[in-house]
Amino acid sequence: DTGVSQNPRHKITKRGQNVTFRCDPISEHNRLYWYRQTLGQGPEFLTYFQNEAQLEKSRLLSDRFSAERPKGSFSTLEIQRTEQGDSAMYLCASSPGLPYTDTQYFGPGTRLTVL
Amino acid sequence: DQQVKQNSPSLSVQEGRISILNCDYTNSMFDYFLWYKKYPAEGPTFLISISSIKDKNEDGRFTVFLNKSAKHLSLHIVPSQPGDSAVYFCAASGTGTYKYIFGTGTRLKVLA
Repeated sequence: DTGVSQNPRHKITKRGQNVTFRCDPISEHNRLYWYRQTLGQGPEFLTYFQNEAQLEKSRLLSDRFSAERPKGSFSTLEIQRTEQGDSAMYLCASSPGLPYTDTQYFGPGTRLTVL
Repeated sequence: DQQVKQNSPSLSVQEGRISILNCDYTNSMFDYFLWYKKYPAEGPTFLISISSIKDKNEDGRFTVFLNKSAKHLSLHIVPSQPGDSAVYFCAASGTGTYKYIFGTGTRLKVLA
């Protein structure tokens, strides 16, 4: 039983650089989500995909952030011109798309440190 | 505006006793509630959920209670074990939206 996987697990970058993270959801799940978690806070929603369509985006997702899910399988989250405030744990989750009680399962996260 | 609140940042419980973690919400449109457990450097692990049509859901040592009139839910762990030591997050979602709103977490420490 393979869960949600994320790569890389850790990324250290210098301010101004671009970074890209990958998420592989549970294979039969058609919904995929990105969250961001900072120290002392719960995960905060960034964006959501139903298959390949990006259906919801948080206002937290500035113009420097872009997410894709080509062919409705894996997803990538890119951050351009990173800033120190982007340092956080980036979490990916997937769900099967059940009505009313659709449970999201999370991956291990990618910890980003911007120097 | 924090729609989901966990007012106790930490809780210590003796092994074998009951752990009770609390969560309050403000949005009456929330109809699905979940608890996640998180170890350091790992993603949240799903524990148990409850829909708004129920007031209790049980899974082994874990029971979630929902009081809709008070907009309050709680997670009971009986008996508590040292391996339960982690940060616990409650989350909520509403019909028509797919995002979860999380609380800030409660760090549970079970003392052997």
